[in-house]
Amino acid sequence: GAGVSQSPSNKVTEKGKDVELRCDPISGHTALYWYRQSLGQGLEFLIYFQGNSAPDKSGLPSDRFSAERTGGSVSTLTIQRTQQEDSAVYLCASSSRGQGNTIYFGEGSWLTVV
Amino acid sequence: QQQVKQSPQSLIVQKGGISIINCAYENTAFDYFPWYQQFPGKGPALLIAIRPDVSEKKEGRFTISFNKSAKQFSLHIMDSQPGDSATYFCAASYNYQLIWGAGTKLIIKP
Repeated sequence: GAGVSQSPSNKVTEKGKDVELRCDPISGHTALYWYRQSLGQGLEFLIYFQGNSAPDKSGLPSDRFSAERTGGSVSTLTIQRTQQEDSAVYLCASSSRGQGNTIYFGEGSWLTVV
Repeated sequence: QQQVKQSPQSLIVQKGGISIINCAYENTAFDYFPWYQQFPGKGPALLIAIRPDVSEKKEGRFTISFNKSAKQFSLHIMDSQPGDSATYFCAASYNYQLIWGAGTKLIIKP
C-alpha cells in the first residue's frame, strides 16, 4: 500500500485481556516506531525498530507491553492483561532511515479497555 | 535536556490572521526540526521541516523561523483558514530519536 497501514482501527476489550495491534509500514522503510497518544495529549514514544538492529524499547511503560517486527516489515504491538489506563490511540510510523528523515504515520488503532 | 517545550497549548485565531506557535529545545545535538499537523481521528502528517543551517523556510502559507543561538523555532501560518484548525506538534531530532512538543490545538474562527 501507499501508506502505513494499521489494524484494527478500533478495538474494545475487557480489562485483563490481551490485545495485538498490527502495523504494516511503507514498503522499503527500514525504520518503524510505535507511539501512544491519549485523548487530547501528545505523542508518547514506545519502541523503535531499525533494520536488523536491536530495538530501542526504552519507551515501553511496563512489561505488559511488547513488540516484534518480523522479516523487517510488519510489526505487532502486544499488550497483555490490559488495564483501563491502556486506553489510547496507538500510532505506528515508518521512515526510510530513521535519521533526520520524514516519518510517516498510520491512522492509529484506537484501544478502549472496559 | 531532551525536552522540547511547545507553546501555547491552545490558540484561537480569526480567519485571515497569523497563527504563531513556538518551540524551544536544549540539546544542541538536534539537527532536524519538523512540524506535524494532526486532524481529529488521523495520524500526524509532516507539514514542514528545517535543518539548523538555515534561519527560515517557507512553504506556501507556512513558515518555520529558526533561531539557533536562542535554541528556538516557530511555525507561522499566514492568512489562517478554518481548514488549518488542527493540532500542531513540533519535534526535534537527533539520530533516530524524535523528541516531541506537547502539541498546540489551533482553532481558526471564520
